Amino acid sequence: GNSVTQMEGPVTLSEEAFLTINCTYTATGYPSLFWYVQYPGEGLQLLLKATKADDKGSNKGFEATYRKETTSFHLEKGSVQVSDSAVYFCAPGWDNQGGKLIFGQGTELSVKP
Amino acid sequence: GAVVSQHPSRVICKSGTSVKIECRSLDFQATTMFWYRQFPKKSLMLMATSNEGSKATYEQGVEKDKFLINHASLTLSTLTVTSAHPEDSSFYICSAGDPGAYNEQFFGPGTRLTVL
Repeated sequence: GNSVTQMEGPVTLSEEAFLTINCTYTATGYPSLFWYVQYPGEGLQLLLKATKADDKGSNKGFEATYRKETTSFHLEKGSVQVSDSAVYFCAPGWDNQGGKLIFGQGTELSVKP
Repeated sequence: GAVVSQHPSRVICKSGTSVKIECRSLDFQATTMFWYRQFPKKSLMLMATSNEGSKATYEQGVEKDKFLINHASLTLSTLTVTSAHPEDSSFYICSAGDPGAYNEQFFGPGTRLTVL
């Protein structure tokens, strides 16, 4: 079946530190890969996506590369800010299934000034 | 971006009652919507796929008679938690795929259900 494993949180970093949140998946077919973010008290928002192998998604300084050979989609940011504090979710998704997503358990990030 | 709304945002009910949650796509038509349950440790569990004009598809382990889903129009899906019990207390989130954007999912703000 389809599943996602994310790095366990919470992750606590100081401002301007380097961030990596690991994500590996097992999936049937050829899904697109997504990172969603949930800020405190808000709904989920798309952070970035990659639709095929070796694609790199990027947004707001975050990046992730679709690695088919290692079935991974690790999220990175070179210098985090306090405003990046949120819960991050990795998810494969299938366009041909109406955009169905399967989520990882989420990784809570807390950035201290 | 596209907007998805949910109503109510918060509901408290007595054990044994039924609760209906609405999910609406406000500026696009969605043939497919999804319902998730978010647990306290933040993970989202996909409950079911709501298909406009046909029966919902439930994930393994989700009771279809417990969680009734109706997708009567291209902009509205409803989730009814029947005979709710305290263990049904949770945060329920819907999403809708915009066919004009490769079915990119847009999420509602969620509904907090508390069953007393």
